[in-house]
Amino acid sequence: GDSVTQMEGPVTLSEEACLTINCTYTATGYPSLFWYVQYPGEGLQLLLKATKADDKGSNKGFEATYRKETTSFHLEKGSVQVSDSAVYFCALSHSGGSNYKLTFGKGTLLTVNP
Amino acid sequence: DAGITQSPRHKVTETGTPVTLRCHQTENHRYMYWYRQDPGHGLRLIHYSYGVKDTDKGEVSDGYSVSRSKTEDFLLTLESATSSQTSVYFCAIRIQGEETQYFGPGTRLLVL
Repeated sequence: GDSVTQMEGPVTLSEEACLTINCTYTATGYPSLFWYVQYPGEGLQLLLKATKADDKGSNKGFEATYRKETTSFHLEKGSVQVSDSAVYFCALSHSGGSNYKLTFGKGTLLTVNP
Repeated sequence: DAGITQSPRHKVTETGTPVTLRCHQTENHRYMYWYRQDPGHGLRLIHYSYGVKDTDKGEVSDGYSVSRSKTEDFLLTLESATSSQTSVYFCAIRIQGEETQYFGPGTRLLVL
């Protein structure tokens, strides 16, 4: 079945440092890929997505490129801020008929210190 | 904001008692989902619905039932709560024609 593996946390960085959170997936066919972010005490928010190979999703300075050859969708940001502290989830969506289901990675806690 | 609310937001209950969580949406979306979030597991799908009275099981459905008698409400019931069901429960909707799911604020459930 489908699965998502993302780098274990927690990750602690200083403000303005570069961020990479690795995400790889296993799936048949051509899933869509997502990054969701969860700020403390809140629900999940869509951060970015990519629907086909070589697509780059971007939002709020974050980027991720859908790499089918390496089955990866790594999240990157060039300069993190304290406000980026959150849990980040990689996920894939696969169609089962008309019922798209999300499969999540376990999440990576990011803490950014001033 | 996808207009999703969940109630209650927090609940403490005892083992063996029934518990019902409610997810309410205001925009008549057809597809609704219930997940649980646990440390080390990410989010796992419990049940989902693709229309009024149309529901199906997810990967962790044992011990849970759902009902959807009207478009705007999707109820999750724990018939007899156990400590292993202590978790944070999230509801999500999906807009028809899109793959993205939009999440509610969550319900934190503690089963003693």
